[in-house]
Amino acid sequence: QVQLVQSGGEVKKPGASVKVSCTSSGFSFTSYGFNWVRQAPGQGLEWMGWVNGDNGNTNYAPRFQGRVFMSTDKSTSTVYMGLRSLRSDDTAIYYCARKSGYDFDHWGQGTLVTVSS
Amino acid sequence: QSALTQPASVSGSPGQSITISCTGTSSDVGGWNLVSWYQQHPGKAPKLMIYESNKRPSGAPNRFSGSKSGSTASLTISGLQAEDEADYYCCSYAGGNSWVFGGGTKLTVL
Repeated sequence: QVQLVQSGGEVKKPGASVKVSCTSSGFSFTSYGFNWVRQAPGQGLEWMGWVNGDNGNTNYAPRFQGRVFMSTDKSTSTVYMGLRSLRSDDTAIYYCARKSGYDFDHWGQGTLVTVSS
Repeated sequence: QSALTQPASVSGSPGQSITISCTGTSSDVGGWNLVSWYQQHPGKAPKLMIYESNKRPSGAPNRFSGSKSGSTASLTISGLQAEDEADYYCCSYAGGNSWVFGGGTKLTVL
């Protein structure tokens, strides 16, 4: 069955960087794109960006441009999301989601990133 | 890229029907027939309930339906059940491999 398994929670200091992984199984990795969506505590969902599972092409939401990077490793069917220059308001659960057509049909379990001095 | 507009909360009694609206612009909801809806229970990942504005994936109960008119999309839940109590988010494709979510609606089943 389709599975997206994310890496464990992280605690970072302001100004640091974080890299979250999302390892997929149960489908052809290169046939899909992947999106990253975050959710701050008690807040709604926010789209961060998209990465193509085949060629690694990306598109980032304007508010994250210059601070976020997304990549793939086809050999391990893993997508990565990195965020630089962390601030306290980056504290959130970060989700990867498989793009099927124009929607997100399967989601990872989420990774809590806490930014605190 | 501004968030789509949803009501903060809606409520209904078991067996009743409710509708959640999602308003965007001609750049997102109005420009594409590509609105999806997600259900999120506390502490859980979102779950796809409607895609392409009015299609239901396998696994989503048939009491969930979607529609769209102009720049406003709607999610209707008929025959409310206790397990439908959750947060609901709309999401629209906005062109160029970009998406935008709504602010979310908390559904309370009375």
